[in-house]
Amino acid sequence: NAGVTQTPKFQVLKTGQSMTLQCAQDMNHEYMSWYRQDPGMGLRLIHYSVGAGITDQGEVPNGYNVSRSTTEDFPLRLLSAAPSQTSVYFCASSDRTRLEQYFGPGTRLTVT
Amino acid sequence: ELKVEQNPLFLSMQEGKNYTIYCNYSTTSDRLYWYRQDPGKSLESLFVLLSNGAVKQEGRLMASLDTKARLSTLHITAAVHDLSATYFCAVDTYSGGGADGLTFGKGTHLIIQP
Repeated sequence: NAGVTQTPKFQVLKTGQSMTLQCAQDMNHEYMSWYRQDPGMGLRLIHYSVGAGITDQGEVPNGYNVSRSTTEDFPLRLLSAAPSQTSVYFCASSDRTRLEQYFGPGTRLTVT
Repeated sequence: ELKVEQNPLFLSMQEGKNYTIYCNYSTTSDRLYWYRQDPGKSLESLFVLLSNGAVKQEGRLMASLDTKARLSTLHITAAVHDLSATYFCAVDTYSGGGADGLTFGKGTHLIIQP
């Protein structure tokens, strides 16, 4: 199993550009989520999904969209990037018990 | 709103010493997690604590949970340099409905010096 994979590993965007951060898991997990990590802030939940076709907002959803058309994939979209979205983004997945969360390797995004 | 507070946020200690990291949270929780993060890396799961009085140990690390006090501790025994990392606690208010996710503390940056 590859576990949780994220692409790209690094990305630089200009303000106003759009892009999609990819997240995939091969463990047939129902629950998937996106977090952002900023220095001194810990990780904060952006969006989450409890299954295909179901998504909901976390603590810091503004500026981000998600969709969950398959169990395996949970992409995060930035429609119009802003410097405040410079961060490291982590995707995580777990089964429905959520006893153990598996984190991806992260995407480091810089918006100039 | 659930709040999770860790202290200290920064800790420099010598090899061979013992120390404790504290994690307080503001509302009733079903479960508490401890993670380790090395610079530039992802999060590594250390412990999952599910009930009052739960204690788990792995090597030089021991975690405990007091749900009445809303407090978890991560105790380091006879620290070694390899334990230098940032440690996060996180709380999940999972109730079976599948809502929400983890709320993290700000992390404790631990440096262990020879």
